[in-house]
Amino acid sequence: QVQLVQSGADVKKPGASVKVSCKPSGYTFTGYFIHWVRQAPGQGLEWMGRINPNSGVASYADKFQGRVTVTRDTSISTVYLDLDGLTSDDTAVYYCARGGAGTGAFDYWGQGTLVTVSS
Amino acid sequence: VLTQSPATLSLSPGDRATLSCRASERLNNFLAWYQQKPGQAPRLLIYDVSDRATGVPTRFSGSGSGTDYTLTISSLEPEDFAVYYCQKRDNSPMFTFGPGTKLEIK
Repeated sequence: QVQLVQSGADVKKPGASVKVSCKPSGYTFTGYFIHWVRQAPGQGLEWMGRINPNSGVASYADKFQGRVTVTRDTSISTVYLDLDGLTSDDTAVYYCARGGAGTGAFDYWGQGTLVTVSS
Repeated sequence: VLTQSPATLSLSPGDRATLSCRASERLNNFLAWYQQKPGQAPRLLIYDVSDRATGVPTRFSGSGSGTDYTLTISSLEPEDFAVYYCQKRDNSPMFTFGPGTKLEIK
């Protein structure tokens, strides 16, 4: 069965960077886009960016351009989200999600990773 | 931009629920709906306006075109009380979620 397993919760100080990992299984890693979506406490969902695991080409929401990098390591079938210049506004649960084939939807989601930014 | 209404919907089990999602411009039929319960990741319910995702009960249905879309739950079960988000993809492609509708027990 399809699963996306994310790294554990993290606490960072303002100005630091965070790296969150996402390891899909149960399907061909290079066959589907992986997206990153975040959710601040008590707030809605916000799309951050995506990567094509086959080509390694990533694209990002305008809001995060220059501050976020999504990469993948095909040797271990893992996708990474790097977010720089953290502020308290980046405190959120970060989800990876698989892009459904031929659709604009996200059909499988990781369990989420809580990133807390606090001094 | 996506707008969802109402922000909160109070209904009873067995009722019919109608949730609205309006776009600021015509969509290309890449419109999806998700259900999220507290402490859980979102779950895909509907994609491409009206296609049910794998394992989604038939009481959930999606419809709409142009700028106006609807998620209908024909007869509410206790487990359906949650927050529902619509989501679009544009041609860039960029992906946007609506602010959500909280479906609560009356």
